[in-house]
Amino acid sequence: AQSVAQPEDQVNVAEGNPLTVKCTYSVSGNPYLFWYVQYPNRGLQFLLKYITGDNLVKGSYGFEAEFNKSQTSFHLKKPSALVSDSALYFCAVRARYNNNDMRFGAGTRLTVKP
Amino acid sequence: EAQVTQNPRYLITVTGKKLTVTCSQNMNHEYMSWYRQDPGLGLRQIYYSMNVEVTDKGDVPEGYKVSRKEKRNFPLILESPSPNQTSLYFCASRTGTGGADTQYFGPGTRLTVL
Repeated sequence: AQSVAQPEDQVNVAEGNPLTVKCTYSVSGNPYLFWYVQYPNRGLQFLLKYITGDNLVKGSYGFEAEFNKSQTSFHLKKPSALVSDSALYFCAVRARYNNNDMRFGAGTRLTVKP
Repeated sequence: EAQVTQNPRYLITVTGKKLTVTCSQNMNHEYMSWYRQDPGLGLRQIYYSMNVEVTDKGDVPEGYKVSRKEKRNFPLILESPSPNQTSLYFCASRTGTGGADTQYFGPGTRLTVL
């Protein structure tokens, strides 16, 4: 069975500093990996996804994520955090052999302080 | 504007009183899903539908029903709600053409069952 772990409930960074939100996964075979962001009282918004090819994926709002097959990780990164990046971030995995099953992590709350 | 809409956004009800949460998408997506979001658990899939009249259980289907009579609509029905169904519910849709397609989420419905 596939699963996703986000080891940090909370990440705090200062504005202008780089940020990393961690995600590790467990799935048989090569996965599809996704990052979503949730702002207060809003639905989840798609940030980026890994399908195949280049391990560094660039997405919306200056975010990027690096797929590391050997470490089964897909960490979300941004070189310079903004206060407006403060939100709840979810990592998700979908196995290539099972189109119906998308698993989400528990979420990481990012707080960017001025 | 391409979107997934849900109604109502907020609902307080009492145990045993049947309710329906509506979901509609205007993107002509074949695939629709319902999730519930609970603190520390992330999103868990309740039911999904691969097309009109085709539905299947997700991870937490107990106490819920769905129907897919039209491509754009996918209502979630709680025939006899209980307090443990108090949660934040999200409807989502995607093209369904492959495992890499992006899922789009509605704004959420916050349900409280007293």
